[in-house]
Amino acid sequence: QVQLVESGGGLVKPGGSLRLSCAASRFIFSDYYMNWIRQAPGKGLEWVSYISSSGNTIYYADSVKGRFTISRDNAKNSLYLQMNSLRAEDTAMYYCARGVSAAGHLDYWGQGTLVTVSS
Amino acid sequence: DIQMTQSPSSLSASVGDRVTITCRASQGSRDYLAWYQQKPGKVPKLLIYAVSTLQSGVPSRFSGSGSGTDFTLTISSLQPEDVATYYCQKGFTFGPGTKVDLK
Repeated sequence: QVQLVESGGGLVKPGGSLRLSCAASRFIFSDYYMNWIRQAPGKGLEWVSYISSSGNTIYYADSVKGRFTISRDNAKNSLYLQMNSLRAEDTAMYYCARGVSAAGHLDYWGQGTLVTVSS
Repeated sequence: DIQMTQSPSSLSASVGDRVTITCRASQGSRDYLAWYQQKPGKVPKLLIYAVSTLQSGVPSRFSGSGSGTDFTLTISSLQPEDVATYYCQKGFTFGPGTKVDLK
């Protein structure tokens, strides 16, 4: 069964940084598009960022553009999200999700890692 | 960017009822439409992709239809385990969600 395990969340002050990781297993990681989706407490889903299988194509939501950087290491079966200049409105559960195609459906999701931005 | 709307925002129905949720996109595109189910405190789960294709393991009481900008998720006979929030997704945009409760 496909497994996605996020880590790296926590409490950080406004303006601070965090790096999220997603460890993938039980599928050929380098064959798939990967995504970060977030959900603020009590709110809906927001697509944060996407990276193609090779890493050559990347998308960011306007709300995080210029502050967040997505990357992947296919040799380590890992996905990352570097988050800088964090704001209170970035507080959310961050999910790693596997995509079948660019902007396509997300067939497997991790359990999520919680990021809280607060002074 | 595409905007997605869903209606209703919430509904209450009885066990066995037929439930219909509508999703509308602000513009048509090549991107297919997907539906997700999120139970309280749980991770979103893919139900339907490419408008009407049921994800493996999803009960057949769930179905999807539509084209262009208007899409529908139908639960033919609501079960207690279907209490959840349902989200549509087209491209990089999710709908705001429809919360389904038991009456």
